[in-house]
Amino acid sequence: ILNVEQSPQSLHVQEGDSTNFTCSFPSSNFYALHWYRWETAKSPEALFVMTLNGDEKKKGRISATLNTKEGYSYLYIKGSQPEDSATYLCASPQTGANNLFFGTGTRLTVIP
Amino acid sequence: NAGVTQTPKFRVLKTGQSMTLLCAQDMNHEYMYWYRQDPGMGLRLIHYSVGEGTTAKGEVPDGYNVSRLKKQNFLLGLESAAPSQTSVYFCASSYSSGFLYGYTFGSGTRLTVV
Repeated sequence: ILNVEQSPQSLHVQEGDSTNFTCSFPSSNFYALHWYRWETAKSPEALFVMTLNGDEKKKGRISATLNTKEGYSYLYIKGSQPEDSATYLCASPQTGANNLFFGTGTRLTVIP
Repeated sequence: NAGVTQTPKFRVLKTGQSMTLLCAQDMNHEYMYWYRQDPGMGLRLIHYSVGEGTTAKGEVPDGYNVSRLKKQNFLLGLESAAPSQTSVYFCASSYSSGFLYGYTFGSGTRLTVV
């Protein structure tokens, strides 16, 4: 079982604020890092799949960076909007496994 | 719309009853997964399949069985339901092992065992 950790567990920000949160994973035998967005009463949706150290991905106001040598990824949201309220999950595969191991998520609430 | 469809969406079972959850995908994905989601815990893998006719155990397989007789369908069975199996169950599929491609998730099945 791969230990994927996310922090903080929850976060409240005001509309218009920028925010970021962290995903930590074992740096040895790294293969890939996934980010998902999970809105209440819906299913998780893939945001980014990242594989290379130093990789940066962007989708609208959401971006992510990856540091495989130290074992962390940051997800940034610029100018948060109420519709950004969701739980953000990260996940990584374990070497030799055929599946992703998920963190417990960061629950973001954007206050209008 | 293409995607992953789970049925049923909700179910209440009595302890000891059996049921089957159906997951169907129309994206020609090879890999399919069953996860459960419990409060305060991340998604935990129950069983998975890397292709038609194959199944394998995940992190929490006890009390569940699965079958993948057709590529598009992945069934999760509970032979004798227990209150500890009260959870939200998510099916997911991916084009390959999922490492380079994101998972596509179904909408979930909320199961309560009383």
